[in-house]
Amino acid sequence: DTAVSQTPKYLVTQMGNDKSIKCEQNLGHDTMYWYKQDSKKFLKIMFSYNNKELIINETVPNRFSPKSPDKAHLNLHINSLELGDSAVYFCASSPSGTYNEQFFGPGTRLTVL
Amino acid sequence: SQQGEEDPQALSIQEGENATMNCSYKTSINNLQWYRQNSGRGLVHLILIRSNEREKHSGRLRVTLDTSKKSSSLLITASRAADTASYFCATRTGAAGNKLTFGGGTRVLVKP
Repeated sequence: DTAVSQTPKYLVTQMGNDKSIKCEQNLGHDTMYWYKQDSKKFLKIMFSYNNKELIINETVPNRFSPKSPDKAHLNLHINSLELGDSAVYFCASSPSGTYNEQFFGPGTRLTVL
Repeated sequence: SQQGEEDPQALSIQEGENATMNCSYKTSINNLQWYRQNSGRGLVHLILIRSNEREKHSGRLRVTLDTSKKSSSLLITASRAADTASYFCATRTGAAGNKLTFGGGTRVLVKP
């Protein structure tokens, strides 16, 4: 199936731990994104990569480090997890260009205890 | 504050009725997009309207854009129970990176 996939779907962990979320798209897109959706459903962009190059970094704490090994993958590593990091994290992809929709993955629900 | 703000925050209607939701934004845009999110799922793109367009249709969806008022509306006609979801507007400015700024969403409940 052509899609944006994320793993894991659920992640429950203790404060202070380090965790990673993986994202892959097989749509042939060259731009990928990470979004955070909080408990009030507000969705905010965190990062955007184009052809493995960081394009957008929206004042996200440096505990969050994206990594794009190739243009089909964009992983998110989070160090020293805090309670406020609990949210749903969505990966998305799109072709380059101004008038293109974004395709979203199913989300990863992160709960920090 | 958010670039896009939606109104109402929640909407409850009967199947067959129309649902209208509005989105307001603050800065000039290149295009505006509407997305749907079913509970526990990712967002799905519905429709994109460019800044030089005033109205666009897709099936039972009708989107309007008024750049002078910096607002857009999404109309779902003849709603169905399957339309129950949250609907988000997202604005794209001319900035690099294809950044979309999302509104807070409207939760729509269509009762059978």
